[in-house]
Amino acid sequence: GAVVSQHPSWVICKSGTSVKIECRSLDFQATTMFWYRQFPKQSLMLMATSNEGSKATYEQGVEKDKFLINHASLTLSTLTVTSAHPEDSSFYICSAPPTVSGNTIYFGEGSWLTVV
Amino acid sequence: QKEVEQNSGPLSVPEGAIASLNCTYSDRGSQSFFWYRQYSGKSPELIMFIYSNGDKEDGRFTAQLNKASQYVSLLIRDSQPSDSATYLCAVNNDYKLSFGAGTTVTVRA
Repeated sequence: GAVVSQHPSWVICKSGTSVKIECRSLDFQATTMFWYRQFPKQSLMLMATSNEGSKATYEQGVEKDKFLINHASLTLSTLTVTSAHPEDSSFYICSAPPTVSGNTIYFGEGSWLTVV
Repeated sequence: QKEVEQNSGPLSVPEGAIASLNCTYSDRGSQSFFWYRQYSGKSPELIMFIYSNGDKEDGRFTAQLNKASQYVSLLIRDSQPSDSATYLCAVNNDYKLSFGAGTTVTVRA
């Protein structure tokens, strides 16, 4: 089964509202998680690194006040898209490395956001 | 993020043929590299990773890495229609991945 779970799988919201996406590690603790965004027919772009117990670090060009990230526990990171607009419509995916060193990077199933 | 470039597609191959995918990266200090397969609307699936120069084989897939040339490739042997997908090359930097644009592969039955 999936080791990283995202919820919801898809969401439609009205322009100007906020949407929260959850990313959970199921069988392990993740002090760090990563959030990616993928627009149609484009590749995944890293948005931010979510750090348990501290502030997230954002990639250049990503508005931290618009994409709020909270990593309140070792198994849960949330991404809130605030005041969503149609241009925020995208596929959002989280990933988590294991806590032991290695090359396994686990991806969530992804969340489709459509802003109307 | 670091720059990763993949050969432009789409790539169409007949069933049973070899599909060859190429990727170059800009950060000479990069240490490990991943190939993912992504079906439309789905999350990426790991095919394999490589971190040593040379070839690495896993079933019908072979990854090749040449750090001096900053080049990574993926060969898919005996291509099957189920291999039709977009293939993403990714460079790993402390578990933060920089992805290429992807190459869409279509295997014709």
